Amino acid sequence: NAGVMQNPRHLVRRRGQEARLRCSPMKGHSHVYWYRQLPEEGLKFMVYLQKENIIDESGMPKERFSAEFPKEGPSILRIQQVVRGDSAAYFCASSQTRGLGLEDTQYFGPGTRLTVL
Amino acid sequence: AQSVTQLGSHVSVSEGALVLLRCNYSSSVPPYLFWYVQYPNQGLQLLLKYTTGATLVKGINGFEAEFKKSETSFHLTKPSAHMSDAAEYFCAVSRRDRDDKIIFGKGTRLHILP
Repeated sequence: NAGVMQNPRHLVRRRGQEARLRCSPMKGHSHVYWYRQLPEEGLKFMVYLQKENIIDESGMPKERFSAEFPKEGPSILRIQQVVRGDSAAYFCASSQTRGLGLEDTQYFGPGTRLTVL
Repeated sequence: AQSVTQLGSHVSVSEGALVLLRCNYSSSVPPYLFWYVQYPNQGLQLLLKYTTGATLVKGINGFEAEFKKSETSFHLTKPSAHMSDAAEYFCAVSRRDRDDKIIFGKGTRLHILP
């Protein structure tokens, strides 16, 4: 059973370009979460999606950032007109159910390291 | 609001010595508590989690953590450090009534001295 897959692992963009980060959840998981990790910081929650629905985007910047999880295919985190401050590691996690309590947990992918020149 | 404080951004211990990584949390409702480990250039791996019941939780790789409600702490320990334990460790919390969002601490980098 493959784990959470993310690609690309490393992405370099110039200021003003667009960045697209992909996340394929574990088989059987329909809940996806995106986190951002800035240097020397812990992970910060960005957005939580279930198939075709955004459940919670309270951690997502209001501008330039968007996320989707279509019925078919991977979840996409899209950053338009990137700036240097967007340089970070972006992690995706997936879970089988919504809860994290007794029966479930979030499984993390290896991350995409975005560098904005 | 929930928050997590990890004491010490860097901790060094000798191989074979006790590992103690400190974590204190703040939560207005009973929390779920987690410890994750991150090896260089990898994603996070769950070490252990506390949800309910016994307050001493055993995890993978010989780690354990004790939930102390009176101290709002969830410190991570391992009796004898191994070189392979060198990594970054994150303490995290989520709400029981809204347990899909995890709040992470800033992390503690563990260095193992030969």
